Amino acid sequence: EVQLVESGGGLVQPGGSLRLSCAASGFTFSSYWMSWVRQAPGKGLEWVANIKQDGSEKYYVDSVKGRFTISRDNAKNSLYLQMNSLRAEDTAVYYCARAWLGTNFDYWGQGTLVTVSS
Amino acid sequence: DIQMTQSPSSLSASVGDRVTITCQASQDISNYLNWYQQKPGKAPKLLIYDASNLETGVPSRFSGSGSGTDFTFTISSLQPEDIATYYCQQYDNLLYSFGQGTKLEIK
Repeated sequence: EVQLVESGGGLVQPGGSLRLSCAASGFTFSSYWMSWVRQAPGKGLEWVANIKQDGSEKYYVDSVKGRFTISRDNAKNSLYLQMNSLRAEDTAVYYCARAWLGTNFDYWGQGTLVTVSS
Repeated sequence: DIQMTQSPSSLSASVGDRVTITCQASQDISNYLNWYQQKPGKAPKLLIYDASNLETGVPSRFSGSGSGTDFTFTISSLQPEDIATYYCQQYDNLLYSFGQGTKLEIK
């Protein structure tokens, strides 16, 4: 059974940093593109970033470029999102998702809430 | 960047009704369009991929169609468990965007 479990969310002040993790199991993690998708409270879904199987390619939504970094450790079956210079508008539930052939998100984690507030 | 315009933003229908949601892309995306269902407090679930393909295990009352810029998602006979918010999502050269969502309620 495919499982994605996020962790690392919490309350952080504006300008602060946070690192999210996603532990994957039930599939060959190193064979898949992986992504982060977020959802602000009461709002819609927004794709944040994705990373190629070997980590050699990374893509970001414009609003997080230069502030967020996606990475992965295939030996640990883990995906990460380093978030720096956080802003109030980054407040959201962050989902880890498997990207089937880099086209659709076929499995999702349960999400972790990040709240940016003073 | 490709923008997705989804309509309506909310919809009220009766059990057994046929329900249709549309999604329009700001430029030609071929069939690179997926549909998701999200229930309150839950992660989204993939229903339709590549515009018209039903994900494994998804009931056949759900369907999708379209190509280019105009896409349609249909529930042929609305069931109480279909109450959720539905999103379209496009992919273009490993960049993605979602529609604004359609909140579906029972009348």
